[in-house]
Amino acid sequence: DARVTQTPRHKVTEMGQEVTMRCQPILGHNTVFWYRQTMMQGLELLAYFRNRAPLDDSGMPKDRFSAEMPDATLATLKIQPSEPRDSAVYFCASGLVVGDTDRYEQFFGPGTRLTVL
Amino acid sequence: KQEVTQIPAALSVPEGENLVLNCSFTDSAIYNLQWFRQDPGKGLTSLLLIQSSQREQTSGRLNASLDKSSGRSTLYIAASQPGDSATYLCAGAGGGADGLTFGKGTHLIIQP
Repeated sequence: DARVTQTPRHKVTEMGQEVTMRCQPILGHNTVFWYRQTMMQGLELLAYFRNRAPLDDSGMPKDRFSAEMPDATLATLKIQPSEPRDSAVYFCASGLVVGDTDRYEQFFGPGTRLTVL
Repeated sequence: KQEVTQIPAALSVPEGENLVLNCSFTDSAIYNLQWFRQDPGKGLTSLLLIQSSQREQTSGRLNASLDKSSGRSTLYIAASQPGDSATYLCAGAGGGADGLTFGKGTHLIIQP
């Protein structure tokens, strides 16, 4: 049963602490996305990778957020230092791009619910 | 910048009714439109993907259409069931970017 997995599922931390969220994309998928969902803003794209290379991180606050793909089976999103306004659900999604087509389906993980006190 | 709007924001109907959820987008250069379902406290489940060369997709009781010229997509749910109660999200990709732009969703309640 191929699915995107994310850890941890829940994280409560104090302001100023470092937070690391992890994602394992569906095996064989070459494009990985990070999204954030809040009540006020809904779902927003933070960053995404193709073949482990970052293509767009314009949605991410650069001073405190960083996203990496150490290998094809792991994507990480770090927040340092965390702030209460970072409280949200963070979703990872993956998809497979074949050839020149940009038309592909994205599959989402269960999310990491982050609370920063 | 792509903007996606979904109406209504909430909908409550009796079981068995057919219903339509609406989604509109501002950039006709959209090349993917995806409908998702989200249950409370859960992740997103992909329901249907419509590519720009397609006009509609069907899966079971669900049918989604895409009209790029008018900037609209609809999700039709036939013979609604209480288990269909969830938030339905519409999202589009386009303009040279792969990331999805989401609407705020329609919160659907099917009354038994």
